Amino acid sequence: KQEVTQIPAALSVPEGENLVLNCSFTDSAIYNLQWFRQDPGKGLTSLLLIQSSQREQTSGRLNASLDKSSGRSTLYIAASQPGDSATYLCAVGVGGNEKLTFGTGTRLTIIP
Amino acid sequence: GAVVSQHPSWVICKSGTSVKIECRSLDFQATTMFWYRQFPKQSLMLMATSNEGSKATYEQGVEKDKFLINHASLTLSTLTVTSAHPEDSSFYICSASYIGTLAEAFFGQGTRLTVV
Repeated sequence: KQEVTQIPAALSVPEGENLVLNCSFTDSAIYNLQWFRQDPGKGLTSLLLIQSSQREQTSGRLNASLDKSSGRSTLYIAASQPGDSATYLCAVGVGGNEKLTFGTGTRLTIIP
Repeated sequence: GAVVSQHPSWVICKSGTSVKIECRSLDFQATTMFWYRQFPKQSLMLMATSNEGSKATYEQGVEKDKFLINHASLTLSTLTVTSAHPEDSSFYICSASYIGTLAEAFFGQGTRLTVV
């Protein structure tokens, strides 16, 4: 059974700093990995999607990497802003049927 | 990206009543939609896979008679919580994707259900 873990569970950093969120998964036979952002009481916003054949994806200040063999992914946020405060979830897909197994999430707080 | 709309965004109901939640793909057709549940301070757990024109597939431990799923068209799936109890209070959220997005999942805004 696939298990997805995110470390740390919570993180607070001053505005302007660069930061890294970590995601690990137990079964390397994944189809893709997706990073999401969730604001309190809200739904999920897709940030980046990495296919199993890819090593990284970039969107603006965000960069996600994938090392499938070691079962790890990182989300790098550059020049953090208070608006980046949210819970970040990673999720892995298996078999290409869009069914996702979610990680435990990292609650990020950017201090102005 | 594609838009998935979920309705209602929040609902309060009395114990023993049923509640229906709708999930719509607004600008694409989705043959498969997924329903997740999220308890406070926990991550999302998959409840079931909704397949257009056929029965839903439920994850282990999810009562299919309690959580009725209907996927009547390529743009609409509904989740009905029957005979709701306080322990069913949770955040329910659906996702959908379409061919061409390499299985990228798009999520609705979620429904906060409170059973009193």
